[in-house]
Amino acid sequence: GAGVSQSPRYKVAKRGQDVALRCDPISGHVSLFWYQQALGQGPEFLTYFQNEAQLDKSGLPSDRFFAERPEGSVSTLKIQRTQQEDSAVYLCASSLWVSNYGYTFGSGTRLTVV
Amino acid sequence: DAKTTQPNSMESNEEEPVHLPCNHSTISGTDYIHWYRQLPSQGPEYVIHGLTSNVNNRMASLAIAEDRKSSTLILHRATLRDAAVYYCILRDVEGGNKLVFGAGTILRVKS
Repeated sequence: GAGVSQSPRYKVAKRGQDVALRCDPISGHVSLFWYQQALGQGPEFLTYFQNEAQLDKSGLPSDRFFAERPEGSVSTLKIQRTQQEDSAVYLCASSLWVSNYGYTFGSGTRLTVV
Repeated sequence: DAKTTQPNSMESNEEEPVHLPCNHSTISGTDYIHWYRQLPSQGPEYVIHGLTSNVNNRMASLAIAEDRKSSTLILHRATLRDAAVYYCILRDVEGGNKLVFGAGTILRVKS
């Protein structure tokens, strides 16, 4: 597709439930990022992939958060045993290469934990 | 990552130019200045970036101070569609690839 696609667009989870959020980056883009954005805040970095290699996961807030990109294209962010504080918009971004140019972001998945 | 300081909010009239300031007094020689904007219910969108010289593209202009400790994003004619949160970000390409976002400036455009 022309842009970064994220699904689902909205997700409501009961506390304790596991969720999986999907990101389809732009075809051929090597770099892929996940960000978490709480209401009224700027996005916060979670993790970074270069192809299938997860090179930086320093932003993952706990071991309940796990991300993968097994074939170097589609990525999944999984959150186990969701908590209310996990409620946020989860954004995915991709870029052609490790570059100093712009990243393309998806519209995000809004996760609400009730 | 070096920090940036932006006003919390600004207001502009439609069809008038807008100057969005950003201070980055601790910028290093390898930091590029990036601007992104985020419209309501959307992900951030790349606007422009530069290192030392002023830059122009179809969306905006970026004016960089000679000492690089501040910069200004210029929207030449604001429209209602420019209402968004604007983020000024320093990116050291030698130190990693992630973008570190601050709180940004909320730009309101009045018709």
